[in-house]
Parts: sequence; structure tokens; C-alpha cells
Amino acid sequence: ETGVTQTPRHLVMGMTNKKSLKCEQHLGHNAMYWYKQSAKKPLELMFVYNFKEQTENNSVPSRFSPECPNSSHLFLHLHTLQPEDSALYLCASSQGVGDYFDNEQFFGPGTRLTVL
Amino acid sequence: TQLLEQSPQFLSIQEGENLTVYCNSSSVFSSLQWYRQEPGEGPVLLVTVVTGGEVKKLKRLTFQFGDARKDSSLHITAAQPGDTGLYLCAGARGNNAGNMLTFGGGTRLMVKP
Repeated sequence: ETGVTQTPRHLVMGMTNKKSLKCEQHLGHNAMYWYKQSAKKPLELMFVYNFKEQTENNSVPSRFSPECPNSSHLFLHLHTLQPEDSALYLCASSQGVGDYFDNEQFFGPGTRLTVL
Repeated sequence: TQLLEQSPQFLSIQEGENLTVYCNSSSVFSSLQWYRQEPGEGPVLLVTVVTGGEVKKLKRLTFQFGDARKDSSLHITAAQPGDTGLYLCAGARGNNAGNMLTFGGGTRLMVKP
């Protein structure tokens, strides 16, 4: 595997379900990100992890719970979601969170989530 | 209100035409990145511009960073169907967590053969 991988690619869940999204980066990067991409909004940053430590939580509801066990893996645990949470969830990684070329981000293909 | 405004939002042109996409803000960015996203995939980085007034070329794509580092443009010469996709600009600004990216709303380009 190369680059950034995400599983599953597609997920349909009910509002009472609990599911997890997985992201793995094979680039040796230190920072990982979760983004939400909806049809009518710009790409929204949700969480940032730098060296396994969460450094940014962009006012995300608690029904989204991130986990970063090491610099290569990132999870997004989902529970009691709402239909408006349906979106493409993108994971990204970068060398760091510095400036200029340090924060160039490499994205995974995303998980298309549908909440019924 | 978007921090980064991209225009146009949609663009449909014939193969061989030229086009320019704009990315504007009232804020100053330390650097600005352009990405292209194809259906079913994540965004792919095209270029990073850092210096005010900087111009970078990537084959038929020309990227420019405004002198004041508040705006940027992407010009495509002789567009081809393979250029079809969603073009996103993203500006980096510092905060306590580092230099986070703010994305524009995107320009969806369709190039017809």
C-alpha cells in the first residue's frame, strides 16, 4: 500500500448504529487530519493530530470521536449520527503542521457516509 | 461567509479553450496550495506558492500568488478533457496548533471533447 488509505470506501448506517472509519498513511508523516466534505460547503477541518496528540478540534459534535494510536493510523468513531452528517469524510496526512511546504497534505480517497 | 472565495463555482468549456480560476480573500496567508479532486477520490496537491507575486508553472497550468498574499489564480492553457475536476485552493494561516489550511468552496471544471 502506498500513500493514504481509507476504509471502508462506502458506509450506510442508521442513526442508532456505532461504526468506525479507518485511515492509514504510509508516508512517514507526523500529522494526520479528518475533514468533512459536503455538497454545499467547503472542505471543513474536523480534527488534527500531530505526533499522536490532538492539536485541533474544530467545534465538532461529540458524536464524532477521533482516535490516533500512532502516527500512521487514525480512526473516527461514529455514534448516534444525524442524517445531516451524511458526507464524504476525508483523511489526510502531512509532514508536520509547520508552514510553507511542511503542511502540504496528502489525502486518502475518502469514505462516503450515508446516515439513514 | 467563506474566508476564501473561489470563482467561478462552475465552468464548462470546450477542449482547447483557456480558462482562469480565482481564489480571493481579505486575509493574508503565509502560503497557498492548489488541489484537484476527481470524482470518488481525495484532493491531490498541484502546487504550493509561498512568496507574494510568485508564479509557478506545471505544464499547461500557471499558478500565481498575489503580491499581498491574499489572492491567487490558476490559468489553464488549451484545456483538455483530462483537466476535468474540482479545483480547490487552500490558504495556510498560523494558530496555536500550527499552520492550518482553510479551503475555498472549489471550482468545478468540465472540459468537453
